[in-house]
Amino acid sequence: AQTVTQSQPEMSVQEAETVTLSCTYDTSESDYYLFWYKQPPSRQMILVIRQEAYKQQNATENRFSVNFQKAAKSFSLKISDSQLGDAAMYFCAYRSGETSGSRLTFGEGTQLTVNP
Amino acid sequence: EPEVTQTPSHQVTQMGQEVILRCVPISNHLYFYWYRQILGQKVEFLVSFYNNEISEKSEIFDDQFSVERPDGSNFTLKIRSTKLEDSAMYFCASSGGQTGDDYGYTFGSGTRLTVV
Repeated sequence: AQTVTQSQPEMSVQEAETVTLSCTYDTSESDYYLFWYKQPPSRQMILVIRQEAYKQQNATENRFSVNFQKAAKSFSLKISDSQLGDAAMYFCAYRSGETSGSRLTFGEGTQLTVNP
Repeated sequence: EPEVTQTPSHQVTQMGQEVILRCVPISNHLYFYWYRQILGQKVEFLVSFYNNEISEKSEIFDDQFSVERPDGSNFTLKIRSTKLEDSAMYFCASSGGQTGDDYGYTFGSGTRLTVV
């Protein structure tokens, strides 16, 4: 079974600075997807960024980028120019690409605080 | 942008009562899911549903849970006899448009279930 580990329960960053959230995963599959979700206090799950395992290029969405190291099974999220609105719980998630409709497996989450 | 709609947003129920949580997935999606998040914990997969039947379920999804797509638009989760430990946020999600793009999940905003 696949597992996802986020080793940082809490992180903090100063507004306008850069922060990196860590995620590692374990799988024997070669075809899969990785995601970062943001969960603000409203508890809605908001997709931040996704990465297909077959793509070597790291995904980027505006101020959010990932460092995908397939051999190391590492998938970190970098937030540049942090804003107060970035404060939230962030979850890393894995999904198999070998079957359609597969489940998402989530990590434990990292609570990000942005200090003004 | 298409949304997954969940109702109610918050439900309080007595222990032992039956509850039905409702979801309207995105209309052209083919796969439907329920996830659960106990307060302060990670998001956990409950069940996936495709072609009017369960395609996968977790160990959490025992006999007290059931899912149904009664009318072609709604997707429901029924908990037959609620327990205190069922108190959680329940998320519905859908994926898999007819273009074959199945890696994009869309989550609803959740139903907060409180069992007293």
